[in-house]
Amino acid sequence: AQSVTQPDIHITVSEGASLELRCNYSYGATPYLFWYVQSPGQGLQLLLKYFSGDTLVQGIKGFEAEFKRSQSSFNLRKPSVHWSDAAEYFCAVGAMDSNYQLIWGAGTKLIIKP
Amino acid sequence: DVKVTQSSRYLVKRTGEKVFLECVQDMDHENMFWYRQDPGLGLRLIYFSYDVKMKEKGDIPEGYSVSREKKERFSLILESASTNQTSMYLCASSLLPLQNTEAFFGQGTRLTVV
Repeated sequence: AQSVTQPDIHITVSEGASLELRCNYSYGATPYLFWYVQSPGQGLQLLLKYFSGDTLVQGIKGFEAEFKRSQSSFNLRKPSVHWSDAAEYFCAVGAMDSNYQLIWGAGTKLIIKP
Repeated sequence: DVKVTQSSRYLVKRTGEKVFLECVQDMDHENMFWYRQDPGLGLRLIYFSYDVKMKEKGDIPEGYSVSREKKERFSLILESASTNQTSMYLCASSLLPLQNTEAFFGQGTRLTVV
């Protein structure tokens, strides 16, 4: 069955430090891949997406993600985090043969230390 | 600016009450979705609609129904609220099927059933 795993429930990072959030998926074909962010008290907002082409994808707010087919991963990175990046981050996979359209990870909560 | 508006941010209802959660989008999107968000479980799809008066069950439709009489409005109905339906409910819309495009989310309705 198709699945998305975000192995870290919480991550704590100091302000100014680099960040990597992990996402692994299980899907037979090349999926469409997404990262969404949910700031406190807000709905989700798309950070970036990968459909095809260059495996390094740039998004909003200085985020990037790299698709690695051999590792079935789509990790999110940022070189220097800001306090405003404190939020919950969700990885999602779009499966063409899925009636439910997106398969979501459980989310990773990012905590920023001053 | 695109907008998905959920009628309430917070609701408290009693067990057995019929509950209506309303969602309106102003982007002329074909697709609308209701998700439930619980800690550690990510987003789970309750129902979605790809056209007026059309609906499809998601992963957890039991105890819920939906209505889409107009393109811009998608309502989630809890026929007889129970305490295990205490959760955050998120409405979303998209122009294309979700695996191909960005979803736009409302701010969420935090429902407490007592």
